[in-house]
Order: sequence, then structure tokens, then C-alpha cells
Amino acid sequence: DADVTQTPRNRITKTGKRIMLECSQTKGHDRMYWYRQDPGLGLRLIYYSFDVKDINKGEISDGYSVSRQAQAKFSLSLESAIPNQTALYFCATRRTGDLSTEAFFGQGTRLTVV
Amino acid sequence: AQKVTQAQTEISVVEKEDVTLDCVYETRDTTYYLFWYKQPPSGELVFLIRRNSFDEQNEISGRYSWNFQKSTSSFNFTITASQVVDSAVYFCALSEAGGIQGAQKLVFGQGTRLTINP
Repeated sequence: DADVTQTPRNRITKTGKRIMLECSQTKGHDRMYWYRQDPGLGLRLIYYSFDVKDINKGEISDGYSVSRQAQAKFSLSLESAIPNQTALYFCATRRTGDLSTEAFFGQGTRLTVV
Repeated sequence: AQKVTQAQTEISVVEKEDVTLDCVYETRDTTYYLFWYKQPPSGELVFLIRRNSFDEQNEISGRYSWNFQKSTSSFNFTITASQVVDSAVYFCALSEAGGIQGAQKLVFGQGTRLTINP
């Protein structure tokens, strides 16, 4: 099983619908992140969390919200999806307290808003 | 603020050619780490290498090599004798403490799509 699991892997939704993307990890890491990937723009940070009581906005948080239900679970919600939120979404985890640690990524969720 | 720039959006070469992917970064921190990730057509992100800000030695791993130059804020990646399997999107990323909160964010460049033609 993957260390970082995202569900669903693919989703098509209609404009205005609420949708939740889920992420769970078995690595025991405290830090969790949601990124969005668009062609030519790389990966941009949406939200990040240090623990269940700590949630922080990234560079493109408008239109999104998150919930850290447990150390191992970090969900991303689109309250009212719009077409320009069509993208590939990645969840990632990192070990706490060490700048050198790489991020471990889920397989990605391809979201299409029509 | 931290920033990573990969100016090469797409590169296409013929198999066995050498190819260099450029990465330029900006940071105010004196302690930071740089990373390279590979994203093959299957879509997952694969960690390749990390380099800390105090170690300017070049790194070689098989056909891959990395050149870190603090003076020019660059961390370039060279593939020697490229192969079709090297075709992927490559991302450079920067990790710094991120201020009082110690966000330890990982900031990515825009990515370079590398195509190796047979």
C-alpha cells in the first residue's frame, strides 16, 4: 500500500458543486500539504498543516478549505467548484523539524470541473 | 520570499544527447535545501536528490549529475547520454525555515518537460 493515499484518483464534477478530496498517510509525519499542479505553473501550495490544531493558508487558498481530522488525515474541500479549479491535486507529507527531509506525495487526484 | 524559477518550459533532444535543466532560486535564509523531483508520464512525483546550502560539491549518480552554485543561486541538473525513459517533467524545489512560524514550506519551480526522442 502507498504511504500517502489520495481519494478519489479522478473526479468530474459540475460547477457549483461541493467536493472533498481526501488524503491519508501511514508515515507518521506531522506536516501535511495540499498542492495544485497546472501546466506551466508547477506545484502551488494551497494549504498546509503542522498538526491537527494548526492550519495555514498557502499561496492560492481562495476557494478552498481544509480539515485535519487526525494526524494521518488531511482533506481538501472546494465549497463551490468552478472550472478554473480543474487541475491535478497532490497531497504531501514531511517529517517535522528537519528542513532536509523530502516531501512524500500521494498519487494525485485529477479533478475536472465542467 | 522564496522563489524557484525553471526558465526552460520544454526541452526536446535526441536519445544519447546530454541535456541540462536549469534551476535558479531566491531566498533570504542562509540555511536551506534544494531538491529535484521527477514526474514521469504516469503522474507520480519521484524524489531524486537534495542538497543543503552549505555543501557546494557536485553530485553524480550514474547518468545524473547536479551542479550547485551558491554564487549564482543555481542548482542545475544534467542527464548524460539521455534515454527515452528519462522523458518526464522535472521540478526543482526549495525548502527554507519560512519565518517565525517555521513553515518549512517546499516551494516548487514551474517544471521543465523533457522529451527524449529515439
